[in-house]
Amino acid sequence: ETGVTQSPTHLIKTRGQQVTLRCSSQSGHNTVSWYQQALGQGPQFIFQYYREEENGRGNFPPRFSGLQFPNYSSELNVNALELDDSALYLCASSWGRGRGEETQYFGPGTRLLVL
Amino acid sequence: AQSVTQLDSQVPVFEEAPVELRCNYSSSVSVYLFWYVQYPNQGLQLLLKYLSGSTLVESINGFEAEFNKSQTSFHLRKPSVHISDTAEYFCAPPQGGSEKLVFGKGTKLTVNP
Repeated sequence: ETGVTQSPTHLIKTRGQQVTLRCSSQSGHNTVSWYQQALGQGPQFIFQYYREEENGRGNFPPRFSGLQFPNYSSELNVNALELDDSALYLCASSWGRGRGEETQYFGPGTRLLVL
Repeated sequence: AQSVTQLDSQVPVFEEAPVELRCNYSSSVSVYLFWYVQYPNQGLQLLLKYLSGSTLVESINGFEAEFNKSQTSFHLRKPSVHISDTAEYFCAPPQGGSEKLVFGKGTKLTVNP
């Protein structure tokens, strides 16, 4: 059974640029959630995708967008990067029924630095 | 909205000492409670979770947590810690009716020899 994988592991961008982060969910999982973890903070929920549809969004501006593909892998896109977007971006997959009891399995994260 | 308070940002202890990591949550919504652990240079992984039934839940590596509804707490305890328990621990209940995890700020546990 393959776990959750993310790419790239590290990324450096400059302000105003755009970035795409990728996530492959664990085999058999149909739900992907994205979180942002700033230094010294707990992860903050960005959004979730269930069977290719957005299924909830946190307090993040529209320049944070995402996609889920038929194979349940996912992308997180961030436009017009700002310095405060520097963080560890975590992807988590689960077999989602939407009631909250499911365990989410996290990838190792992508560390983004915006200069 | 759900909020989570982890009262201690850092907890240093000696090996074989007991430890308690505290978590309080707002009573508004969630009926489920989770603890996740992040070992150095690794991703988050589930440590234990309370869904229903017995208020005391245990993990396979000796941690336990007790759901206390009246005090809205879900403190994590271990009677004797090992060096390998050094990690950051997050209390993370899902927001009611969803799989959106609401994380506390984390408690960094450092176990010294």
